[in-house]
Amino acid sequence: DTAVSQTPKYLVTQMGNDKSIKCEQNLGHDTMYWYKQDSKKFLKIMFSYNNKELIINETVPNRFSPKSPDKAHLNLHINSLELGDSAVYFCASSQAEVRGEAFFGQGTRLTVV
Amino acid sequence: GDSVTQMEGPVTLSEEAFLTINCTYTATGYPSLFWYVQYPGEGLQLLLKATKADDKGSNKGFEATYRKETTSFHLEKGSVQVSDSAVYFCALTQNTGGFKTIFGAGTRLFVKA
Repeated sequence: DTAVSQTPKYLVTQMGNDKSIKCEQNLGHDTMYWYKQDSKKFLKIMFSYNNKELIINETVPNRFSPKSPDKAHLNLHINSLELGDSAVYFCASSQAEVRGEAFFGQGTRLTVV
Repeated sequence: GDSVTQMEGPVTLSEEAFLTINCTYTATGYPSLFWYVQYPGEGLQLLLKATKADDKGSNKGFEATYRKETTSFHLEKGSVQVSDSAVYFCALTQNTGGFKTIFGAGTRLFVKA
């Protein structure tokens, strides 16, 4: 069973489109995250949700909007896609009192053309 | 703010060579420290962790010791294998109103047969 799963794995789309990436975890964790990894492998946190509540919102364009319908799901919607949004997006989850050990999904490679 | 600095790569070694990847951190309080590994085309996996000073994390022949006096968490392995080729990320986690994991820039390791 996959612990943290994201869909789609690959996403190619044109500038200006709106797209969503979905994430689900079956670990019973209470905290979920979105990270962006650029072409140089640098990882930056974008958002964190704890029990469906947004707790970390880094400096991210407001074209990016996370949504957590329940604590097992955290989706990322991106409006008006730009070339610079091309990256690999990773979803992760953790249990808060385990001091932050995170489990990552396989990533979604987004290419904006 | 909190930060993690790790040695730039790529690091290229022959099989059975000794590996060290340096990692230092800046943080207020008492963070937990982690090493994650990312194999090609995959998400990050936790390799080892240490939650307090002088703790040693170990897994799969890799080791790292939490050194508060030098704010370091260097990764070592006595004899690397080709299968260890991957990108290694040093990370810290603090509870700053939500557990936030900050990653270093990643170090790519190539092991030649």
